Amino acid sequence: EDQVTQSPEALRLQEGESSSLNCSYTVSGLRGLFWYRQDPGKGPEFLFTLYSAGEEKEKERLKATLTKKESFLHITAPKPEDSATYLCAVPETSGSRLTFGEGTQLTVNP
Amino acid sequence: KAGVTQTPRYLIKTRGQQVTLSCSPISGHRSVSWYQQTPGQGLQFLFEYFSETQRNKGNFPGRFSGRQFSNSRSEMNVSTLELGDSALYLCASSLSGQGAREQYFGPGTRLTVT
Repeated sequence: EDQVTQSPEALRLQEGESSSLNCSYTVSGLRGLFWYRQDPGKGPEFLFTLYSAGEEKEKERLKATLTKKESFLHITAPKPEDSATYLCAVPETSGSRLTFGEGTQLTVNP
Repeated sequence: KAGVTQTPRYLIKTRGQQVTLSCSPISGHRSVSWYQQTPGQGLQFLFEYFSETQRNKGNFPGRFSGRQFSNSRSEMNVSTLELGDSALYLCASSLSGQGAREQYFGPGTRLTVT
């Protein structure tokens, strides 16, 4: 059974203080890894797809990287508007079902 | 291009009642998946529909059912509601569902069971 674990559960940063979120996964065969951002009371917003170890994707202050066992979401010089819950997910081997981690709740203080 | 839409956005029901939620996918997307999100369990997969057929199902009781129409719109039904069914119900659409396709989520329907 696919498993996804995210850490830390919560992270509080000062504006401009860079950091990284971790997503560890155990799957029988990786078919991709997705990162989402979710604001309170809203649906997850798609950020990135990573397919193979060594791959990196960037979007504004966010950069996602992938190794054979984990993925990192690096946040450079965050702003208060980056405050949200960040979720990672992997698709199952035989279909499109996504297994999600519990998420990291990020708070960026001005 | 319009995103995934879900109706209604909020719903309050009483135990024992049934409820139907609706989801319209992004134009051109043929796969629709449903997820339940609760603070304790996180996002849990309910089922996936593609071309009007249920292609995948999660570990939820038979009270949870769904269907998909020829225009790819999907509905989800929960019968005999229980207090534990209170959750945010999310639908997500993707182009085909085959392979590691990105899934795009709607805003969700917040269901409260009293």
